[in-house]
Amino acid sequence: IAGITQAPTSQILAAGRRMTLRCTQDMRHNAMYWYRQDLGLGLRLIHYSNTAGTTGKGEVPDGYSVSRANTDDFPLTLASAVPSQTSVYFCARTRTGEETQYFGPGTRLLVL
Amino acid sequence: AQKVTQAQTEISVVEKEDVTLDCVYETRDTTYYLFWYKQPPSGELVFLIRRNSFDEQNEISGRYSWNFQKSTSSFNFTITASQVVDSAVYFCALSLFNTDKLIFGTGTRLQVFP
Repeated sequence: IAGITQAPTSQILAAGRRMTLRCTQDMRHNAMYWYRQDLGLGLRLIHYSNTAGTTGKGEVPDGYSVSRANTDDFPLTLASAVPSQTSVYFCARTRTGEETQYFGPGTRLLVL
Repeated sequence: AQKVTQAQTEISVVEKEDVTLDCVYETRDTTYYLFWYKQPPSGELVFLIRRNSFDEQNEISGRYSWNFQKSTSSFNFTITASQVVDSAVYFCALSLFNTDKLIFGTGTRLQVFP
C-alpha cells in the first residue's frame, strides 16, 4: 500500500494547453518526487522536494514546474504541453533516512 | 556519474523455469543503495528490495533471491520456479547516500508462459 494517490488516471491533452497533475500522500513523509516513464528509457526524475516549501530539479525538468505548499501535496504543472511530454508520470514519496521510495499509481498523459 | 544498466531487454521463460535478471551499476561513491521494483501489467511500481552498499549478504524471500557483488558492481535478481504472475517489467535502481534520488535502469520485461 503506497499511501499516495495521483489524478487524473489518464488524460488526452491538446498541445499548447496547460495541465496540472496532482499527487497527494497520506503518510506525512517529507520527500516527494516526480518521474516520467518512457519506453526504453526507464524512469527519469523530473523534480523533487525534500520538504514542504523547497523544490529541486531532476534530470529532465524542462517544460515542467512543481510546488510544495504543504507536506501532502506535490502538483506537477505543464505550462504549455508538447507532444514529447506524452508519457506515464509517477509520483513517489519517502521519509528522510528510509531511502525507499513508494510510488503512486501513475498518470498516463497523451499530448496531441 | 551514476548509471544502471539492465542489458536484458526482454526474457521469456516457461513456467517453473528459474530466471536471472541482470543489473550492473556504476558509481564512485562508497555509500549507496540498490533497489529492485516490479511493474506488473497493471502499471504500478511495486518495491521489492533495498540493499545498502555495506551489506553484501545475499537475500532470499520465497522464490526471489538477490545476489549483490561489489567486485563486479552487480545486483542480480533470480526468480526460482517462475510463475505466470511473475510476468512484469523489473527495474533495478541506484540511489546515493543522503540524496534519495533514484537512478533507474531501462528495465527487463519478463514473460512467463504457462
